[in-house]
Amino acid sequence: GEDVEQSLFLSVREGDSSVINCTYTDSSSTYLYWYKQEPGAGLQLLTYIFSNMDMKQDQRLTVLLNKKDKHLSLRIADTQTGDSAIYFCAESYSDSWGKLQFGAGTQVVVTP
Amino acid sequence: EPEVTQTPSHQVTQMGQEVILRCVPISNHLYFYWYRQILGQKVEFLVSFYNNEISEKSEIFDDQFSVERPDGSNFTLKIRSTKLEDSAMYFCASREGQPQHFGDGTRLSIL
Repeated sequence: GEDVEQSLFLSVREGDSSVINCTYTDSSSTYLYWYKQEPGAGLQLLTYIFSNMDMKQDQRLTVLLNKKDKHLSLRIADTQTGDSAIYFCAESYSDSWGKLQFGAGTQVVVTP
Repeated sequence: EPEVTQTPSHQVTQMGQEVILRCVPISNHLYFYWYRQILGQKVEFLVSFYNNEISEKSEIFDDQFSVERPDGSNFTLKIRSTKLEDSAMYFCASREGQPQHFGDGTRLSIL
């Protein structure tokens, strides 16, 4: 089946690192994405990774991909209060027209 | 940086009425998408559009829905006879290669 799973909630203290996890089911996925959504707002693309990569780093963000286990994670270093939001993992399939399958989202709450 | 723009930001409509949601994708993009997000739920794919026709659609995208690219810039989603359960945030997205770029969404409220 086509399903992307994420834990629903993460609480982290300001200055610590956050790690948000995601598992996906389709081994033919080509790209995997992380989007951020603040309350009442749209979907902000944070980063994405091609499925033949293991890791991608972009400033405070590090994406790790374990293709064998179909596991994707997003690490946010030095988490700030402005990082409080819902984070969505999404995958696109090689056999589709690029539609994205989203997870349910992880709500990250950053406490002072 | 170019962006996907959606109008209106909020649309309130009586049940049974027709509604048209509008999107202006990024100008050199060729693939267009609509997604929806019911309050508190995940983002769901509705339809993809390429070369002036629907390339893929989900089970949600039934006969009440239609999409159109009436000119070189706009991409619209029409819901013919709205139902209460159509209340959601609707997102338009576009891409050339990767990644997909999303608009800020239109919140549709059906009364």
